[in-house]
Amino acid sequence: GAGVSQSPSNKVTEKGKDVELRCDPISGHTALYWYRQSLGQGLEFLIYFQGNSAPDKSGLPSDRFSAERTGGSVSTLTIQRTQQEDSAVYLCASSFSAPPSKNIQYFGAGTRLSVL
Amino acid sequence: AQKVTQAQTEISVVEKEDVTLDCVYETRDTTYYLFWYKQPPSGELVFLIRRNSFDEQNEISGRYSWNFQKSTSSFNFTITASQVVDSAVYFCALSAMDSNYQLIWGAGTKLIIKP
Repeated sequence: GAGVSQSPSNKVTEKGKDVELRCDPISGHTALYWYRQSLGQGLEFLIYFQGNSAPDKSGLPSDRFSAERTGGSVSTLTIQRTQQEDSAVYLCASSFSAPPSKNIQYFGAGTRLSVL
Repeated sequence: AQKVTQAQTEISVVEKEDVTLDCVYETRDTTYYLFWYKQPPSGELVFLIRRNSFDEQNEISGRYSWNFQKSTSSFNFTITASQVVDSAVYFCALSAMDSNYQLIWGAGTKLIIKP
């Protein structure tokens, strides 16, 4: 597709289970970003990839969160042993190249995660 | 430290009224970038504009206009003759070297346009 694609669009899981969220960036975009947005709140930066490398993981809230990117394209955000406070919308964005300041980030529709 | 403040949590106006969304930013960098994004109820953030710190010209795009004033560190967004479809949450964001060029986001302003 032409835009950033995220799957699943909705995920309901039980506390303690692991979840994987997927992001397929715009073709040709080398930079990829993950954000978290809690209900009615702004965006919280999680991690940034340039190619397959993650130069900035500063936003990951705990060691239960990890992300990888393979082939410079698809990225997966994994949350292990989910907690109720992990419930949020997880947004992915991509941009043409680094540095991010000179590039516009385009967003996917997000994955709404609900931890029961 | 870098910061973006959108003091208006929620604004409600009647259709066809003009409305201005405020954005005030803080940065020590002399080179920086400012952005506005729109998040409609569908949830997907839509890019509206990017402005670099060396370009203080105001910009107009249809019913949308932006006023960038370095003297007051503000980058305000005005919608003229608002329409119901403008209802959304609007985010202002800042990108600069101090934050490794990651976007620093404001908390957003929820705009409600009543018919």
